[in-house]
Amino acid sequence: GAGVSQSPRYKVAKRGQDVALRCDPISGHVSLFWYQQALGQGPEFLTYFQNEAQLDKSGLPSDRFFAERPEGSVSTLKIQRTQQEDSAVYLCASTPGRTNTEAFFGQGTRLTVV
Amino acid sequence: DQQVKQNSPSLSVQEGRISILNCDYTNSMFDYFLWYKKYPAEGPTFLISISSIKDKNEDGRFTVFLNKSAKHLSLHIVPSQPGDSAVYFCAASEVRGGSNYKLTFGKGTLLTVNP
Repeated sequence: GAGVSQSPRYKVAKRGQDVALRCDPISGHVSLFWYQQALGQGPEFLTYFQNEAQLDKSGLPSDRFFAERPEGSVSTLKIQRTQQEDSAVYLCASTPGRTNTEAFFGQGTRLTVV
Repeated sequence: DQQVKQNSPSLSVQEGRISILNCDYTNSMFDYFLWYKKYPAEGPTFLISISSIKDKNEDGRFTVFLNKSAKHLSLHIVPSQPGDSAVYFCAASEVRGGSNYKLTFGKGTLLTVNP
């Protein structure tokens, strides 16, 4: 596709349920980022991949959050035992090179934990 | 502690006039600044950026000004159009490990341009 694609667009999870959010970056893009955007806030950095290598996961809120990009293209963000505070929009972005200038964002996945 | 601050949650301007969106930062290590525009139910879209070695960057109707000593940047939109109505995010990054990658965002400013 032409842009960054995320699925699902909306996800409702019961507290304690595990969820998996998918990101298809722009083809050929080296860098991939995950951000979390809570209501009324700006996006907050979660993690960064350069190809298949996860170079920075300092923004992941807890060990319930796990991200992978095994073949250097599609990425999955997994949240185990979801809690209400995990409710947010999860944004994926990609860039062609190793810098974050002009990152291209997907539409996001809105996660609601009930 | 917010490192990038957008103190105006909203701004309303008349079509054809200038819109000025402001952003302040606290981290002196930031060396690259970006503005993103976001429509409802869409992801942020890159608008314009500026490196810390410059004090101004212009792209059509959009100009970003950077005042490093004041740790302040602003986005000017002239003339404003109704289609510019959106949330504008200020973002900043610093060089780590030889590259800029982690963006720190402000909370955003909702701009409404009235016809």
